[in-house]
Amino acid sequence: KAGVTQTPRYLIKTRGQQVTLSCSPISGHRSVSWYQQTPGQGLQFLFEYFSETQRNKGNFPGRFSGRQFSNSRSEMNVSTLELGDSALYLCASSLRDSSTNEKLFFGSGTQLSVL
Amino acid sequence: GENVEQHPSTLSVQEGDSAVIKCTYSDSASNYFPWYKQELGKRPQLIIDIRSNVGEKKDQRIAVTLNKTAKHFSLHITETQPEDSAVYFCAARNTGRRALTFGSGTRLQVQP
Repeated sequence: KAGVTQTPRYLIKTRGQQVTLSCSPISGHRSVSWYQQTPGQGLQFLFEYFSETQRNKGNFPGRFSGRQFSNSRSEMNVSTLELGDSALYLCASSLRDSSTNEKLFFGSGTQLSVL
Repeated sequence: GENVEQHPSTLSVQEGDSAVIKCTYSDSASNYFPWYKQELGKRPQLIIDIRSNVGEKKDQRIAVTLNKTAKHFSLHITETQPEDSAVYFCAARNTGRRALTFGSGTRLQVQP
């Protein structure tokens, strides 16, 4: 069974641009969560989607948004990029929603660099 | 909201020694505490987890202990090997809140 797939693997953008990242969960998984990873800050929760509905949202500005499609694939969008948005963006999938305390399976991430 | 503090930020041990990483959490309603290992350039992977109704859990060389009263939990790795070198993240979740809150990570270096 294929793991969690994130595309693209690397992105370079300039300030003010917008970016869309994609995540394909493990087949059959319906929950997708997004995290931002920066050195020294660990993993910061962005949002979680389950069955196309946003179930939870972290403390990030409205420039960060996401959605989930009927096939459970998810995208996150960051508009008006800032230098501080440079980070590794990880998505994770699980079979059911996060309230079940299920194991998260992470993708390899998208490394975003904002110049 | 939940806050998870993790110490130390870096840890260097000799091969064969034990390593201990500690985390404290703020939300007394948290009931799930997983640990993830992230090797350099790779994705985080769950290595062990514990629920609040259990005080200790072991899996071969890895063990996790939980003290609900003090609101802290620890990862213990015995007989460390070079392949244990990685960044380790603790996390906590309150079922009602759903999202996992991660610690800032511990970079473990096992010297051969």
